[in-house]
Amino acid sequence: TQLLEQSPQFLSIQEGENLTVYCNSSSVFSSLQWYRQEPGEGPVLLVTVVTGGEVKKLKRLTFQFGDARKDSSLHITAAQPGDTGLYLCAGVNNAGNMLTFGGGTRLMVKP
Amino acid sequence: EPEVTQTPSHQVTQMGQEVILRCVPISNHLYFYWYRQILGQKVEFLVSFYNNEISEKSEIFDDQFSVERPDGSNFTLKIRSTKLEDSAMYFCASSEALRWQTQYFGPGTRLLVL
Repeated sequence: TQLLEQSPQFLSIQEGENLTVYCNSSSVFSSLQWYRQEPGEGPVLLVTVVTGGEVKKLKRLTFQFGDARKDSSLHITAAQPGDTGLYLCAGVNNAGNMLTFGGGTRLMVKP
Repeated sequence: EPEVTQTPSHQVTQMGQEVILRCVPISNHLYFYWYRQILGQKVEFLVSFYNNEISEKSEIFDDQFSVERPDGSNFTLKIRSTKLEDSAMYFCASSEALRWQTQYFGPGTRLLVL
């Protein structure tokens, strides 16, 4: 069974601060996805990282896939209140037909 | 923009009753999935479906669960005899292909078993 551990579970910061969320596993994934989930809604994909060591940027968000494809990080620069939400990482199995989700990081950015 | 839709948005049922959760995936997608999220817990994979067959299922997806694509547009999850612990948010998702293709999630059905 593949497991993904996400940390921290909760993060409360001031507007303008930087933060990093981590997603770790002992298993190798074919790719890793980051989602954002709003209350009462389904997860919405932010990015997919596929190659070990890959770095992708989405405005102030930087996503990195570990060299061994077992871990990933999400870094947010100069966080804004609009970044408040639940961030989920999810690993894709080799067959590509299943996502294993981490427990999520609930981020609150205070103005 | 195309989206996955799910009905009903909320369902309350008595323990032991059968429920059918419905999903309409994005029209040109070929792969379909069900996930569930018990309140306060992780999103958990239940099953994936392709070409009218289950392609992967988790330990949660036991004999009480079944999936079906009864026509060209709907994808359903049936729970034959609901238990209290089946209370959760159930998400349907679909994708064009596998691997790094995006899975688009529906808004979910909140199931409460009393």
